[in-house]
Amino acid sequence: AQSVAQPEDQVNVAEGNPLTVKCTYSVSGNPYLFWYVQYPNRGLQFLLKYITGDNLVKGSYGFEAEFNKSQTSFHLKKPSALVSDSALYFCAVREFNAGNNRKLIWGLGTSLAVNP
Amino acid sequence: EAGVTQFPSHSVIEKGQTVTLRCDPISGHDNLYWYRRVMGKEIKFLLHFVKESKQDESGMPNNRFLAERTGGTYSTLKVQPAELEDSGVYFCASSRDRYTGELFFGEGSRLTVL
Repeated sequence: AQSVAQPEDQVNVAEGNPLTVKCTYSVSGNPYLFWYVQYPNRGLQFLLKYITGDNLVKGSYGFEAEFNKSQTSFHLKKPSALVSDSALYFCAVREFNAGNNRKLIWGLGTSLAVNP
Repeated sequence: EAGVTQFPSHSVIEKGQTVTLRCDPISGHDNLYWYRRVMGKEIKFLLHFVKESKQDESGMPNNRFLAERTGGTYSTLKVQPAELEDSGVYFCASSRDRYTGELFFGEGSRLTVL
């Protein structure tokens, strides 16, 4: 069965420091991987995705994520955190050859707090 | 371009009552999805429309939930009768590409069943 794990409920980081939000996944085939962010009182917003190709994916707001097939991970990173990055981050996966199954499987979310 | 809009933003009802949630997708997006997040748990897929057809409704919890998308435009999700465990945030999302495209989400409809 497909699954996504975000092992940290909360991540705290000082402004200007690098940040990492962890995600590991389990699918039977090749994965499509996504990161979404939810700012307070807002809907989920797409950040970036990995479909195929370069393992390092760059997305919105200076975020990037690295696909690691051997470790089945897709950690979200940013070199220098901003206070405005404080939000809830969700990792999601869909199986590559899912046929008519288009649904995403989601992690529980990680709350990122960037302290000034 | 207008985003995905959902109504109401918050609904408080009593157990046994009926609630209807509405979602207006981005114009031109044939794919429309409903997801639900119960407090403290992961976001779970409910169903997927392609235009007016239900492509996948495997995530619908039970027959108290009815989703429609007449004419392939807006969608409604009706819960009748509502139970306590139906409380949560119901998200609607739309996309142009059903294969690899990212989803565009609405702000969600928070449902509280007392």
